[in-house]
Amino acid sequence: ETVMTQSPATLSVSPGERATLSCRASQSVNNYLAWYQQKPGQAPRLLIYGASTRATGIPARFSGSGSGTEFTLTISSLQSEDFAVYYCQQYINWPPPTFGQGTSLEIK
Amino acid sequence: QVQLQQSGPGLVKPSQTLSLTCAISGDIVSSNTAAWNWIRQSPSRGLEWLGRTYYRSKWYYDYAPSVKSRIAVTPDTSKNQFSLQLNSVTPEDTAVYYCARANIGNWFDPWGQGTLVTVSS
Repeated sequence: ETVMTQSPATLSVSPGERATLSCRASQSVNNYLAWYQQKPGQAPRLLIYGASTRATGIPARFSGSGSGTEFTLTISSLQSEDFAVYYCQQYINWPPPTFGQGTSLEIK
Repeated sequence: QVQLQQSGPGLVKPSQTLSLTCAISGDIVSSNTAAWNWIRQSPSRGLEWLGRTYYRSKWYYDYAPSVKSRIAVTPDTSKNQFSLQLNSVTPEDTAVYYCARANIGNWFDPWGQGTLVTVSS
């Protein structure tokens, strides 16, 4: 099973600033990586797939990069609605597909 | 626009069977490009994929090793929905359960609204 490790666990950033979230895989997943956003009481929402392709309706301030074992989600200018928990997920080595433990993005 | 609507009980007794249903609108369960998944989320386990079903000229099923001996994901083409059955539940199965579609690729979009299932006597 491929273990996904996200860092940091919690990130405090001021509105308008840039946020950078990291995800590391225990073995190569090529670019078979997705990012999700989850707000309290809601289901996760797909942001990015293929490591860098934004899902339909996702604002351009969200961008993904990386390949192999190291990945980054960048939010260029944080809006109030962006404060949430973010998860990465690999989907090449499965079953099972596996998720990271999440990064909580908090208002500074 | 694909939407998934979950239903089922929020309380199950230990050793009994957890049963949830996910109704599909905007797609069909027998789609040749989609797969229909169940995922759960708990503080102790995080997001955990449980299983899926999909149709490619016949029905296929995949399950997570952690639950393989006691899980079934079944399609219902007459109602355009799919279901989860998890047998012999324990308090460790307490979680929010989600259904989700994987289309073409194996990322999940969209998700159902989630159902909190508590295993308790």
